[in-house]
Amino acid sequence: AQSVTQLGSHVSVSEGALVLLRCNYSSSVPPYLFWYVQYPNQGLQLLLKYTTGATLVKGINGFEAEFKKSETSFHLTKPSAHMSDAAEYFCAVSPAAGGSYIPTFGRGTSLIVHP
Amino acid sequence: EPEVTQTPSHQVTQMGQEVILRCVPISNHLYFYWYRQILGQKVEFLVSFYNNEISEKSEIFDDQFSVERPDGSNFTLKIRSTKLEDSAMYFCASFPGGSGYTFGSGTRLTVV
Repeated sequence: AQSVTQLGSHVSVSEGALVLLRCNYSSSVPPYLFWYVQYPNQGLQLLLKYTTGATLVKGINGFEAEFKKSETSFHLTKPSAHMSDAAEYFCAVSPAAGGSYIPTFGRGTSLIVHP
Repeated sequence: EPEVTQTPSHQVTQMGQEVILRCVPISNHLYFYWYRQILGQKVEFLVSFYNNEISEKSEIFDDQFSVERPDGSNFTLKIRSTKLEDSAMYFCASFPGGSGYTFGSGTRLTVV
């Protein structure tokens, strides 16, 4: 079984400020972890993923996330927010083994960026 | 970069009508999925498809839903008799088996 908890349904930052979106997961097997972004009325776009190897992963648009197994976390960060980062962000987990490979999504965090 | 293509982008249908949502996954991927997102809510798993058959399905995926991969490229989701509560964004995704999932841009289904 697997689940994802995203702390905070809304996060508000000022333009230029640090962005931190929190994601904690539970998984009975080693996980694959993902962050997706959804702009209004659009689909899900992959920001970054952790599968194996380096625990700090870099994605598109200046985002990065660190897989911390001991904390079961995969928080998303960006050093400096842009207005264009305003969107809904979803963390997802899927099993890295076992055959089902079905990602489970968190409830999403809406990032609001103030000028 | 390869994409998952979904058509139509928006469909309006009368309650009780059948709808077919179409997806063209990435050709060399092995696993295919349908998810739905009711407005403002979480992204929910419906069904996964592997080796030309359903591998898993959620409680949401009841008898009114079906999936097919009729010609080796298209992957369709059929809703036999639509209800108002089926109004949602439906996403198709494909997965090669060892990397990230690629999602389509979705079909917004509105049942009136």
